[in-house]
This record gives sequence, structure tokens and C-alpha cells, in this order.
Amino acid sequence: IQLTQSPSSLSASVGDRVTITCRASQGISSYLAWYQQKPGKAPKLLIYAASTLQSGVPSRFSGSGSGTDFTLTISSLQPEDFATYYCQQLNDYRYTFGQGTKLEIK
Amino acid sequence: QVQLVQSGAEVKKPGASVQVSCKASGYTFTGHYMHWVRQAPGQGLEWMGWINPNSGDKNYAQKFQGRVTVTRDTSINTAYMELTRLRSDDTAVYYCAREKVGATTGVFDYWGQGILVTVSS
Repeated sequence: IQLTQSPSSLSASVGDRVTITCRASQGISSYLAWYQQKPGKAPKLLIYAASTLQSGVPSRFSGSGSGTDFTLTISSLQPEDFATYYCQQLNDYRYTFGQGTKLEIK
Repeated sequence: QVQLVQSGAEVKKPGASVQVSCKASGYTFTGHYMHWVRQAPGQGLEWMGWINPNSGDKNYAQKFQGRVTVTRDTSINTAYMELTRLRSDDTAVYYCAREKVGATTGVFDYWGQGILVTVSS
């Protein structure tokens, strides 16, 4: 299963609403997770089961979608949100990741 | 608190092997699968394999079959990943990651800090 994220990079300002898309090459139901990674750090789990917020993650993060099309939305960007975001499919044991979306400060 | 502490950076020559460790604390080690994920410089994330620390069962990505071995020592709450016949394109940061209980398989809720393995002649 291939995951394609769009855009690959994105410039936005603090306070903006941002949406990142992840498209699967075949249907994966709701078996999708989202991670945030900052430079030199390990990824951090944000969302799993497409829309379930991990404990401790701010509510400005939300996920939606099922089947082949998924979105991660940040409702109001904060300075600490500038990072790279990855989706991950959980439908088969290969647990493949998308190529990442780099979110930069405008 | 949950911690996964990995061993230090490694520099290896092509054809050599490397073993990296991941010491878990703050939770019941045998209660969560442990996965290994790598990230080449400037690249994305690539899943390598998992081990069930309770049973010792393991599974590997097809790409690494025959070159990777994941083991554990429950007496010291540590998981290990060995990669053999190293090539230059194995240069990457290698992470251990704990699988979240209560979610579908493959959700990683805690990660080690990562260890850079450099393969160079």
C-alpha cells in the first residue's frame, strides 16, 4: 500500500488553519495514524484510527477520512507546530509511511 | 514515565554487522510489542520489524528478510536489532518504537531517541 501526502511542503503563518492530505493506493478503512517530527527528534504520535487524538495532543489537531482519503487539520497554527508530518497505514503489516509534509513558517 | 533509551552512534564498514539496543523503563516491557523503524538522512520513515517481548515472536519487512534479527532480553527490559551485510544505503537513524495497546497494531506511542548508524569505508 502506497501513501501519497500532499502537499510535500507548505508555508503558513501562526494562527492559520492548515490541512494536509494523505491518499492511500487502496482502501485501508480507518487504519491510519499521523505523526509529527521535529528536526533531530523522534516522531510523535498525534492521531490514530484516522481520527482519534492521542492523549496529551492539543485539540487543535484533528484527523478525518476513511477508505483512501484522509486529512490532518491544524485549526490554528502555533509556533511549535512547524515540523514535518507523516501519515502511516496500519491496514497491513508493512506499516508504510507517507513521504512527509514539511510545514514551514511563512 | 515511559522511556526507551537506545545505545550510542555506530560507524561500520560495508559488509559488517551492527547491533543496536533499546532499554525500556516505566512500563511492563512484556506488555507491548516493540518495533524498529529507520530513517535515512533527509528521508522518510521505513518500518523494519517487530518483536513480541512476551513470546519472542517476531516479524520483519520483506525488504530486510535475511539481514535483520530482532531479539529481546526480558531480564533487563531490552530489545535489540541486528542488521548484517551493511551497505552504504543502510546509513540511517534507527528507532525503536513501542506499540500502543488498545489501538490497532502498528501504532507507535513511544519512541527511542534514535541512533545514527553510518556505513562507510
